[in-house]
Amino acid sequence: QKEVEQDPGPLSVPEGAIVSLNCTYSNSAFQYFMWYRQYSRKGPELLMYTYSSGNKEDGRFTAQVDKSSKYISLFIRDSQPSDSATYLCAMSPLSGNNRKLIWGLGTSLAVNP
Amino acid sequence: NAGVTQTPKFQVLKTGQSMTLQCAQDMNHNSMYWYRQDPGMGLRLIYYSASEGTTDKGEVPNGYNVSRLNKREFSLRLESAAPSQTSVYFCASIFNYEQYFGPGTRLTVT
Repeated sequence: QKEVEQDPGPLSVPEGAIVSLNCTYSNSAFQYFMWYRQYSRKGPELLMYTYSSGNKEDGRFTAQVDKSSKYISLFIRDSQPSDSATYLCAMSPLSGNNRKLIWGLGTSLAVNP
Repeated sequence: NAGVTQTPKFQVLKTGQSMTLQCAQDMNHNSMYWYRQDPGMGLRLIYYSASEGTTDKGEVPNGYNVSRLNKREFSLRLESAAPSQTSVYFCASIFNYEQYFGPGTRLTVT
């Protein structure tokens, strides 16, 4: 079993829909949780960053961490065609691991106008 | 402020040829990483450098070597390319747990 599981999709939604992207993990030591967005033929870019549990909001994006269920989510409100990309989750424990991230495989999202 | 730059953008090699992928960052970060990204396999760490003068193996180091030339530059070398090294290669510069990626090098080995 992988340490981080992420459904690869693809996920296709109409413009304006609320999108929910999720990852599950098995290592209870993970404390840092990140979401990256990767457009086709580009490098990943950091979208949101959460430490420990709780929610974080940035514009149309909300990141949620449920450590009791070992489950993280990224919600996109009022989705736009420009949100079409692959979304990767990544996580790391607080110490050790030399700050290396454990990556999900990514979920491909298409927002249709 | 260019962030992370990588050269070349594309490369085609024959089996057995060698090449060096170049990476440079202007963010004054200590740590730099090299990843490869393959369909169905995700991002896999090849080598990393926690600071100038140090390098360590990642998850998939076989067939690769690295040099941390100075704080800005971290190069990846394929000494004898194999078709299994066909991939997209990303360099990343790290600040705390945040990783900043370059645009990638698409390498095909025939």
